[in-house]
Amino acid sequence: AQSVTQPDIHITVSEGASLELRCNYSYGATPYLFWYVQSPGQGLQLLLKYFSGDTLVQGIKGFEAEFKRSQSSFNLRKPSVHWSDAAEYFCAVGNPNFGNEKLTFGTGTRLTIIP
Amino acid sequence: EPEVTQTPSHQVTQMGQEVILRCVPISNHLYFYWYRQILGQKVEFLVSFYNNEISEKSEIFDDQFSVERPDGSNFTLKIRSTKLEDSAMYFCASSEARSRGFGYTEAFFGQGTRLTVV
Repeated sequence: AQSVTQPDIHITVSEGASLELRCNYSYGATPYLFWYVQSPGQGLQLLLKYFSGDTLVQGIKGFEAEFKRSQSSFNLRKPSVHWSDAAEYFCAVGNPNFGNEKLTFGTGTRLTIIP
Repeated sequence: EPEVTQTPSHQVTQMGQEVILRCVPISNHLYFYWYRQILGQKVEFLVSFYNNEISEKSEIFDDQFSVERPDGSNFTLKIRSTKLEDSAMYFCASSEARSRGFGYTEAFFGQGTRLTVV
């Protein structure tokens, strides 16, 4: 069965500093990988996705993520965070044979930005 | 930009009561989903719906739950007799296509309905 681990429950970063949110997955083959963000009172917004091809994917809001098969990781990065990036971030893995069904989410990482 | 909308944003109900959570998916989407997140836990898949029938459901989605697309725009989740453990944030999502063989596209999620059972 597929699973996702986000080891950091809460991260605090200074505005303008770089950010890396960790995500490790367990899946027998190459999964579909996603990062979603949830701002307070908002739904889950897709930041970026990996299906195949280039292992470094670019997303919205200046985010990028790198798929590393050898480490079963899909870490999210941003070179310089803004106060508006404060939110909850969810990594998710999907089975290519089931698509959006049975997306498996991590527990989320809450990002706090300090001035 | 098209979006998935859910109503209400917050619902409080007494244990044993029926609740209906409503969703309006993106208009040209064909696949619809419900997920839920119990406070402090992971977002979990409940059910997917295509062509007016359930295509997949999780073990969570028991006989107390049902889904319906009563008209061309709404997609509802009904819980017949709510329990305290049904308290959660419920997310509706929709997508154009389903999986690799069908031309995969990502799911778009609504803002969620927070259900509180007292």
